[in-house]
Amino acid sequence: EAQVTQNPRYLITVTGKKLTVTCSQNMNHEYMSWYRQDPGLGLRQIYYSMNVEVTDKGDVPEGYKVSRKEKRNFPLILESPSPNQTSLYFCASRMTSGGADTQYFGPGTRLTVL
Amino acid sequence: RKEVEQDPGPFNVPEGATVAFNCTYSNSASQSFFWYRQDCRKEPKLLMSVYSSGNEDGRFTAQLNRASQYISLLIRDSKLSDSATYLCVVTNAGKSTFGDGTTLTVKP
Repeated sequence: EAQVTQNPRYLITVTGKKLTVTCSQNMNHEYMSWYRQDPGLGLRQIYYSMNVEVTDKGDVPEGYKVSRKEKRNFPLILESPSPNQTSLYFCASRMTSGGADTQYFGPGTRLTVL
Repeated sequence: RKEVEQDPGPFNVPEGATVAFNCTYSNSASQSFFWYRQDCRKEPKLLMSVYSSGNEDGRFTAQLNRASQYISLLIRDSKLSDSATYLCVVTNAGKSTFGDGTTLTVKP
């Protein structure tokens, strides 16, 4: 089954404690992205990757890091989380072939930073 | 001004109604345009891509006006199951910008 998986799905942590949210896709897509969704602000792109070892900042990259060492994985790293990073996070992979352009989203990670 | 703007609604309509959503974007270099649907803070899912020629998928019709930088979505014969938040999305290479979404509630 084609899918994007994220782990963990829920996380409560404290300020300053480094964390990683993993994202994996099994569709061999080149594009992957991370978004955060906050009430009244919609989905905002944090980082995106157009291929292995190629990453670019989205609209809200501050406080986040990413890496793309393999095509299937795109982890999101919060080196020193702060309460303003409390949010719902979505990973997505994107298919752009055969005339189609579709983003497939993971189920989301709900992060609370105390 | 936001890069992608949508009327937030909410839109409350009876079953069978026709409802239209609008979206404007500010970056004239934008390349691709989409409508996504999101149910109750679940993951967004692609509803349809939007082309200048217009495209239709059953009860849904999407239209793009590049000159006015305007995207629309028309839903005919609304069903209860259409209740959701509809997100307008504009992309330029790897960068995707989402509107804040328009909430639709279809009532019996």
